[in-house]
Amino acid sequence: GAGVSQSPSNKVTEKGKDVELRCDPISGHTALYWYRQSLGQGLEFLIYFQGNSAPDKSGLPSDRFSAERTGGSVSTLTIQRTQQEDSAVYLCASTLAGTSGYNEQFFGPGTRLTVL
Amino acid sequence: KNEVEQSPQNLTAQEGEFITINCSYSVGISALHWLQQHPGGGIVSLFMLSSGKKKHGRLIATINIQEKHSSLHITASHPRDSAVYICAVKGMSGGSNYKLTFGKGTLLTVNP
Repeated sequence: GAGVSQSPSNKVTEKGKDVELRCDPISGHTALYWYRQSLGQGLEFLIYFQGNSAPDKSGLPSDRFSAERTGGSVSTLTIQRTQQEDSAVYLCASTLAGTSGYNEQFFGPGTRLTVL
Repeated sequence: KNEVEQSPQNLTAQEGEFITINCSYSVGISALHWLQQHPGGGIVSLFMLSSGKKKHGRLIATINIQEKHSSLHITASHPRDSAVYICAVKGMSGGSNYKLTFGKGTLLTVNP
């Protein structure tokens, strides 16, 4: 079956512009995560959606970052007024329902964002 | 200090060698993941374990909960095993039981 998909795969933008990144999770997966992977750094948690619950936004680095998940499926991560330090690979992952520690996460291929 | 430490950071091996990558963590966890990331590629989950040992093909993952330590072994390594291997842990309570905390990864290069 289809895995997690993300678009675009690459995005080059100018400093100060807004960007929108999209994630299509695996059908039936109610939990969705956004992560950021900066050069030379480990993956960093950004935001978590679980069903209709309020999202955990504790990992968002600034108020320029926001995310939505419409209809419990597709999610978009929006970065406003991009800065050069926002350059990174943004990864999305989805998993089956629940907050159990035993659910495997399935990762998308990522969006490589370059801010000039 | 990162809660998840991996060693080594970089590892170069000859084809056929036995590989070990280590992961130590400092908090109580409910599960530990080993992930593989090929250059320019996405991340694939190799193992998720909370105790003992798991094996899949040439890959073996072990975890010692008391010592807060896990190892990933690759037997008869092959150049196609060249990738970054990432250890990630999921906490036990509150928000940490659904968030993963990641190590910085181990870059493995297997030469033919």
